[in-house]
Amino acid sequence: DIQVTQSPSTLSASVGDRVTITCRTSQSINRWLAWYQQKPGKAPKLLIYDASNLESGVPSRFSGSGSGTEFTLTISSLQPDDFATYYCQEYNNYSFGGGTKVEIK
Amino acid sequence: QMQLQQSGPGLVKPSEALSLNCSVSGGSLKGNYLTWIRQPPGKALEWIGYFYYTGSTNYNPSLRSRVTISADTSKSQFSLRLNSVTAADTAVYYCARGRVLLNLWGQGTTVTVSS
Repeated sequence: DIQVTQSPSTLSASVGDRVTITCRTSQSINRWLAWYQQKPGKAPKLLIYDASNLESGVPSRFSGSGSGTEFTLTISSLQPDDFATYYCQEYNNYSFGGGTKVEIK
Repeated sequence: QMQLQQSGPGLVKPSEALSLNCSVSGGSLKGNYLTWIRQPPGKALEWIGYFYYTGSTNYNPSLRSRVTISADTSKSQFSLRLNSVTAADTAVYYCARGRVLLNLWGQGTTVTVSS
């Protein structure tokens, strides 16, 4: 099984900050990784697929990078609507990371 | 525009089976993968498995012995059955379109396993 580890588990930030979340996998997955945003009580929303492709309608302040075993999700300028929990998912075995909660500092 | 509407009981007794439905409107099962995901309270998302309209399935190895995902194309509905549930199966269950790239989700169903 592929293990997926996200860091940090919690991140405190302010509006306007640049935020980076990391996702590491236990073996290489090329670029087969997606990022989701989830708000409390809501279903997740797809943000990024194939490591760096922005889903239609997702603001350009979100970006993804990486390949192999290390990936990052970056929010270039954090907006009030971005306070949420973010998950990565690899799609060899479909495992999710443990999530990163972005909270207000 | 395609929508997914979930239905099913919110309370299941231990050792019994959990059954949930996901109805597809504004689209077809044909050509689509349909996936079930769950999220225990305060925890991360867990992939349960998917169904492809041809009938093929793929399940999380940790659940494979207890789970069945199927579809009724005449009703545009696909279903999740999880047998022999325990308190550890208490979670919000989601259906979603896709195998990866889950870009359309149901509203979620909170299922509590309790006597």
